[in-house]
Amino acid sequence: GENVEQHPSTLSVQEGDSAVIKCTYSDSASNYFPWYKQELGKRPQLIIDIRSNVGEKKDQRIAVTLNKTAKHFSLHITETQPEDSAVYFCAATRGSNDYKLSFGAGTTVTVRA
Amino acid sequence: NAGVTQTPKFQVLKTGQSMTLQCAQDMNHEYMSWYRQDPGMGLRLIHYSVGAGITDQGEVPNGYNVSRSTTEDFPLRLLSAAPSQTSVYFCASSYARATDTQYFGPGTRLTVL
Repeated sequence: GENVEQHPSTLSVQEGDSAVIKCTYSDSASNYFPWYKQELGKRPQLIIDIRSNVGEKKDQRIAVTLNKTAKHFSLHITETQPEDSAVYFCAATRGSNDYKLSFGAGTTVTVRA
Repeated sequence: NAGVTQTPKFQVLKTGQSMTLQCAQDMNHEYMSWYRQDPGMGLRLIHYSVGAGITDQGEVPNGYNVSRSTTEDFPLRLLSAAPSQTSVYFCASSYARATDTQYFGPGTRLTVL
């Protein structure tokens, strides 16, 4: 099955700096790559996603890049703010199966004021 | 529009007991799924359903049963609870596939003694 590895497991950044989280996947047939944000005690919420026919996608201060050759994708958060502190999860489809997602272990991001 | 709801929020069971975690959505979504969240392991798919009467296994289905008699409801049954099933359980729904935006419920924290 699909294996998604996520790094780093924890990330501390100064407010206003950028944060980057990287995920790698094992199945070259994977075609959908979402990122979820989970605040403490809350449910995960989708913040951005990218499909395999696109290399980069932006939404205000967040962006995701996909490198299909290297089988990795990254989340970039610019101008970080205290409200960006949360756990971030990446995920990928299990191969070309549109009904199953495999998640990374998560990255705890702390933004220092 | 309540979105995805789950009951109960907290539950403590003894080893060997059975129980049902409830999940309901009011968005007329065809796809529903159950995940468990354990520290350092991200979210792992237990079972999913692509419509009423249709269910399939995820990556960690052992010890759990599901059924989907209506579009709205997708209960998760623990047949004989074990300490290894201590976890936070999230239900999620989306329009038709896991590759559509998934909306998560608030979660159920289950402890098995």
